[in-house]
Amino acid sequence: AQKITQTQPGMFVQEKEAVTLDCTYDTSDPSYGLFWYKQPSSGEMIFLIYQGSYDQQNATEGRYSLNFQKARKSANLVISASQLGDSAMYFCAMRVYYTGNQFYFGTGTSLTVIP
Amino acid sequence: EAQVTQNPRYLITVTGKKLTVTCSQNMNHEYMSWYRQDPGLGLRQIYYSMNVEVTDKGDVPEGYKVSRKEKRNFPLILESPSPNQTSLYFCASSFSRELGETQYFGPGTRLLVL
Repeated sequence: AQKITQTQPGMFVQEKEAVTLDCTYDTSDPSYGLFWYKQPSSGEMIFLIYQGSYDQQNATEGRYSLNFQKARKSANLVISASQLGDSAMYFCAMRVYYTGNQFYFGTGTSLTVIP
Repeated sequence: EAQVTQNPRYLITVTGKKLTVTCSQNMNHEYMSWYRQDPGLGLRQIYYSMNVEVTDKGDVPEGYKVSRKEKRNFPLILESPSPNQTSLYFCASSFSRELGETQYFGPGTRLLVL
């Protein structure tokens, strides 16, 4: 079975500090991709970062980096230098290739940045 | 402007009254998908389509129908809505089925079934 687990329902971080949002996954598909999306209070879904299962290096996009540990099946999102605008819900998602090409989402982590 | 559009954005209906939520994308994307978002459950895929006339069930397809007659459109049909289908619905599309292709999401449709 394919599954994404986010165990932190809510997180707080001081402005300008770094924060790590946890994500673990489970799949038997040898080819998969891992995504992080941000959902502000306005409701839209914003793509942040992607990591492929065969990628050797951790993905980075500006202040976002993905700490990919394949053996542990984890894909944690690290946000550096947090800003007030980072307050939002964050979803980890997985796309599998051979077993149906579906997307699977975690339950999300609500991040609040404190001034 | 490249976008995914959904209509209506908000809908209140009654149990059993058939409804359709439209979804259209102008990016020539092959892959389209419907999700529902519920508090504490994240997003769950209802149906997806990898191309015209090709549709597959996601994790929660019961009570929903879809069709993909044209590449740009992927309507979601609730033949007989029930209160447990009250939710926030998102349509999304990606260029292809390739792993690295992210999805572009529509603005969402809030549905209340009384």
